[in-house]
Amino acid sequence: NAGVTQTPKFQVLKTGQSMTLQCAQDMNHEYMSWYRQDPGMGLRLIHYSVGAGITDQGEVPNGYNVSRSTTEDFPLRLLSAAPSQTSVYFCASSFSGGVYEQYFGPGTRLTVT
Amino acid sequence: KQEVTQIPAALSVPEGENLVLNCSFTDSAIYNLQWFRQDPGKGLTSLLLIQSSQREQTSGRLNASLDKSSGRSTLYIAASQPGDSATYLCAVSIAAGTYKYIFGTGTRLKVLA
Repeated sequence: NAGVTQTPKFQVLKTGQSMTLQCAQDMNHEYMSWYRQDPGMGLRLIHYSVGAGITDQGEVPNGYNVSRSTTEDFPLRLLSAAPSQTSVYFCASSFSGGVYEQYFGPGTRLTVT
Repeated sequence: KQEVTQIPAALSVPEGENLVLNCSFTDSAIYNLQWFRQDPGKGLTSLLLIQSSQREQTSGRLNASLDKSSGRSTLYIAASQPGDSATYLCAVSIAAGTYKYIFGTGTRLKVLA
């Protein structure tokens, strides 16, 4: 199993550009989520999904869109990047039947200039 | 609103020392608590997960305890090694089925050879 994979590893955007961060998992987990990690603030939940076709907002959803058309994939879209979105983004997944132990991807480091 | 605090923010110890990392949360109504390790520039690796009905979990040299009534968890590392140097994060799940975790800001541990 590859676990949770994220692409790209690094990305530089100009203000106003759009892009999609990719996340995939091969563990057949129903739950998937996106976090951002900023210095001194810990990880904050952006959006999450409890299954294909079902998504919901987390703590800091503004400026981000998600959709979940398959169990395996959960892309995060930035429609118009802003410098405040400079961060490290982590995708996580969890099996729903049990204790919701989270498995994380390696992260995407995004810089918006 | 649930808040998670980890003190100290950084810790240096000599190799071989036993040490305790602390995690405090403000609302005792949690579903579970998970400890993670994060190496520089990497994703999060799950170390231990304690369900709300449990008091502790052990894995090798690691032991995590949970006291819901006082809003505290500790991660005990026995016989520390330089390879234990990393940032340790705790996260609490606020309710079953909601898949919302609140993270602390972490303790950066350095074990000196």
